[in-house]
Amino acid sequence: EAGVAQSPRYKIIEKRQSVAFWCNPISGHATLYWYQQILGQGPKLLIQFQNNGVVDDSQLPKDRFSAERLKGVDSTLKIQPAKLEDSAVYLCASSLRGAGVPETQYFGPGTRLLVL
Amino acid sequence: DQQVKQNSPSLSVQEGRISILNCDYTNSMFDYFLWYKKYPAEGPTFLISISSIKDKNEDGRFTVFLNKSAKHLSLHIVPSQPGDSAVYFCAASAGGTSYGKLTFGQGTILTVHP
Repeated sequence: EAGVAQSPRYKIIEKRQSVAFWCNPISGHATLYWYQQILGQGPKLLIQFQNNGVVDDSQLPKDRFSAERLKGVDSTLKIQPAKLEDSAVYLCASSLRGAGVPETQYFGPGTRLLVL
Repeated sequence: DQQVKQNSPSLSVQEGRISILNCDYTNSMFDYFLWYKKYPAEGPTFLISISSIKDKNEDGRFTVFLNKSAKHLSLHIVPSQPGDSAVYFCAASAGGTSYGKLTFGQGTILTVHP
């Protein structure tokens, strides 16, 4: 079974530029998550989708970050404009069912973003 | 406000001995706990989980203990192997529709020496 796929693996941009990350979850998984992991910290949930609806985006900085999962499968996370403090690893995860049940989340390899 | 804390940034253990990683939490609504392992340049990999209705869960060399009154959980690895060297994160979630919202600790770097 293929795992969670993410691209690109690395991205370097200058501040005020825009950037987009792509994620394809495990086939059949209803719920998709985007996390931000700053160096030396644990991952922080940015947004949770169940199918193509948003379950939780309370920690997403909506003035610059946006995310979509239009067909309930793959997803994109965008930052526009980027700031220096957005330098981090952006992790995508998926789980079979999602909201309402305790279950394992499976993570992709992440996209490492450096903002100069 | 850090609701999940791993107070030891690093731990060094000899191969064959026990590794004990600790995690404390402050939110009494948390009732599902997980441990993840992370190698460099990879995403976190699930290790083991425990529900608040239990105080112990075992899976091979890995055992997680939960002390709800102390709001403390620990991961025991016996025996430790060099391949266990990685960053270990504990994570917690509250119940109901919040099960998907994992709150992570900051991680503990485990080094197992041959």
